[in-house]
Amino acid sequence: IAGITQAPTSQILAAGRRMTLRCTQDMRHNAMYWYRQDLGLGLRLIHYSNTAGTTGKGEVPDGYSVSRANTDDFPLTLASAVPSQTSVYFCASSRGPYYNEQFFGPGTRLTVL
Amino acid sequence: SQQGEEDPQALSIQEGENATMNCSYKTSINNLQWYRQNSGRGLVHLILIRSNEREKHSGRLRVTLDTSKKSSSLLITASRAADTASYFCATDYTVGGSNYKLTFGKGTLLTVNP
Repeated sequence: IAGITQAPTSQILAAGRRMTLRCTQDMRHNAMYWYRQDLGLGLRLIHYSNTAGTTGKGEVPDGYSVSRANTDDFPLTLASAVPSQTSVYFCASSRGPYYNEQFFGPGTRLTVL
Repeated sequence: SQQGEEDPQALSIQEGENATMNCSYKTSINNLQWYRQNSGRGLVHLILIRSNEREKHSGRLRVTLDTSKKSSSLLITASRAADTASYFCATDYTVGGSNYKLTFGKGTLLTVNP
């Protein structure tokens, strides 16, 4: 692994189903982030983690949860998917939460029907 | 909202020309970053300029920052077809003394025609 990987690449999901998007980084970065990207709205922060064991809410956290059990992994869970959660989801990481560039994964395209 | 706003929303130029994109923001920042996104891919960091810097260069990229006008510009010189992508500015600021926020604008779609 080099950088950040996300899985799955794409997914079609029935409304009401539970879904976990996976994100793994091998750069030993302390901070990790989940964004959603929607046409006309740009990137919006869903949740973030400044270091393993801590998480925080971003701009649009409702309907999503995250955990950060270790440095490398930062899964995003949709407990009960709704069509408005159809989006492209990007995971990112940075060395620390301050003054640092973010490295992005390739994204997961999620469609909720 | 702290979100940066890029201008123009879309820009189409010929190969070899220079491309200039602008970003405006609303409140004091720690730094400002520019990212690039090719269609269907994740964002790639291009350059970071700190609030106490006025200009920065990286290869064919030149970024300026005017904190008095709360604006930044990204100049790509001698553009190539491979520069075709969306470009985003991201503003970094502190909330409540300790919470760090990085917010992205909606992007400028640059098309460089061969």
